[in-house]
Order: sequence, then C-alpha cells, then structure tokens
Amino acid sequence: DVKVTQSSRYLVKRTGEKVFLECVQDMDHENMFWYRQDPGLGLRLIYFSYDVKMKEKGDIPEGYSVSREKKERFSLILESASTNQTSMYLCASSFVRGGNQPQHFGDGTRLSIL
Amino acid sequence: AQKITQTQPGMFVQEKEAVTLDCTYDTSDQSYGLFWYKQPSSGEMIFLIYQGSYDEQNATEGRYSLNFQKARKSANLVISASQLGDSAMYFCAMREGQGAGGTSYGKLTFGQGTILTVHP
Repeated sequence: DVKVTQSSRYLVKRTGEKVFLECVQDMDHENMFWYRQDPGLGLRLIYFSYDVKMKEKGDIPEGYSVSREKKERFSLILESASTNQTSMYLCASSFVRGGNQPQHFGDGTRLSIL
Repeated sequence: AQKITQTQPGMFVQEKEAVTLDCTYDTSDQSYGLFWYKQPSSGEMIFLIYQGSYDEQNATEGRYSLNFQKARKSANLVISASQLGDSAMYFCAMREGQGAGGTSYGKLTFGQGTILTVHP
C-alpha cells in the first residue's frame, strides 16, 4: 500500500514563526503536492513538484515556499506564519503520467497560528 | 470561473437507501479525468472512483458508481445501500491536460465538498 506520511497531525505556532511541514512518501512517486483545506473552499493547491529540486506554484502560493531535496520528501515552509494560515494542510503524491492513477494523501496536519 | 462545482453542502440519507452526490465541471480539454474522494472526520482522503473522459461505460467500484453525462458536464457519485460508515465529506476532483504531448503533472482541481450524513 502507498504510504504518505505527514510529520504532525496537530501543530500550534505563533505569528511570525517559520514553520516547516514535512511529507514523506514510500512509492517512488515523481509528483508531490501540498494543499490547504478550508470549510466551503475544498482543497486548494499551494505548490507541487514533479521532480527533485523542481517546483511549480499552485493556485495560492503566497506566503509559502517548498523544498524537495530528495524524491521521497516534500516540505512546505511558512516563512513568517500569520493567523490566516491557520488551516488543514494535506500532502499528496502520484506518478507523473497520471492517467487513471489517483493522488494518494497523507492524514493531514491541522495547523493553528496564534 | 469555478471548474468543479458541488452544489450540495450537505445531504442526508437513510441507512440502506441510495444517494446521489452532484458534481458539475467546466473544461475545454477533450481529455480529462474525474475522481471522487471520501474524507471521514479523521481527515484522511480516501480515493473512491475514477472516470476518464473517453470511457464509454460509467465507472463502478462496489457500492459506488459514477453517473457520467459528458454533454452536461456532470459526474455524479451514486452510493447504493448506504451504511453508517459512509457518513463523511465527499469531494469531486478533475485532472485536465492529459492529451497527447501534454501533461498537467497530475494536478487536481477540487470542488467544495458535500457532507453526507447517514441516519440509522
């Protein structure tokens, strides 16, 4: 079974802190994604990566950056956390030639910025 | 413009009955894919079913089936014989850009979700 592991289920940080969310997958997937989920808005794509050291902006990249130094690991960075970044963050991975292959998700990180 | 629209914020169904969750989409691509995911209260996203734009038959997976009406751009999820464990948030999502020579890198666009509650 595909396993996507996010480092924390719950995280509380303070405004202005630099926050790291880590995601690791074990299926040798080329693609990795970071989404945030807010009530009434569904999932919105923040950043994605299709290869090591490659990254592309999604729909809402402002205030975030990412890092992919190894194929299995994709990190989301909040450079200076703000209260409007309180949300549920979901990491996903998939093969690059998607076709009918779904994205596989981690369990999510509920992040609160105080 | 909204690419994926789920117009039902919440739905209720009696145990053992069937329920349809609506999804409409908007794309100019000829080749695309539609996915449904389930998200229980615990938060994980569970893949349920997939429909390709060129698939002639409606997709089915156990108690899940997809009512795909291409001309109407709708991809409704039908859950038969509802169970209490089906209570969850359900998301419809679309992957575009699967045409020859192109790739969207598997990016998905999600709808707003529908909360399904199954009553005993």
